[in-house]
Amino acid sequence: AQSVTQLDSHVSVSEGTPVLLRCNYSSSYSPSLFWYVQHPNKGLQLLLKYTSAATLVKGINGFEAEFKKSETSFHLTKPSAHMSDAAEYFCVVNEGGKLIFGQGTELSVKP
Amino acid sequence: GAVVSQHPSWVICKSGTSVKIECRSLDFQATTMFWYRQFPKQSLMLMATSNEGSKATYEQGVEKDKFLINHASLTLSTLTVTSAHPEDSSFYICSAEGDSSYEQYFGPGTRLTVT
Repeated sequence: AQSVTQLDSHVSVSEGTPVLLRCNYSSSYSPSLFWYVQHPNKGLQLLLKYTSAATLVKGINGFEAEFKKSETSFHLTKPSAHMSDAAEYFCVVNEGGKLIFGQGTELSVKP
Repeated sequence: GAVVSQHPSWVICKSGTSVKIECRSLDFQATTMFWYRQFPKQSLMLMATSNEGSKATYEQGVEKDKFLINHASLTLSTLTVTSAHPEDSSFYICSAEGDSSYEQYFGPGTRLTVT
């Protein structure tokens, strides 16, 4: 079975500084990986997805993630945090059509 | 495009009663819809997968007689929590899968509180 592990339950950054949200996956074959964001009282929004094309995936709102097979990682980054980025972020793997969610990382952005 | 709605967004019910939650794909047809449950400060757990016109497939540990799922049309799936108890209080989220992309589009969620 595939799974994802988000290494930090909470990350706090200052506005304008870089964001790094870490995710490791376990899979016996090349997985489909996603990052979703959940703002309070709003639906989950897809930030980006990796489906075995380019290993560096660019998403919406300036986010990107790099698939590193040797490290089994799919970390999410953004060069400069904005206050509106404060939310819960989920790393997700597709297992046979089902989405398996990581535990989530709460991102706080300080002014 | 690819908008999924849920109704109601918030519901309070008394213990022992049943509650129905609707999930609609507004601008696309969804042959497959998914129901998730999210406890406070926790991740989403898949409860069941429903395909239009057939019985839902439930994940291990989810009581199919308690969480009734109906997917009668390509744009509507319903989740009925029967004989609700306080431990059923949670955030229920649906998603719908488009035919062309297999991407899941999520609804805004329904917060259920059982008193």
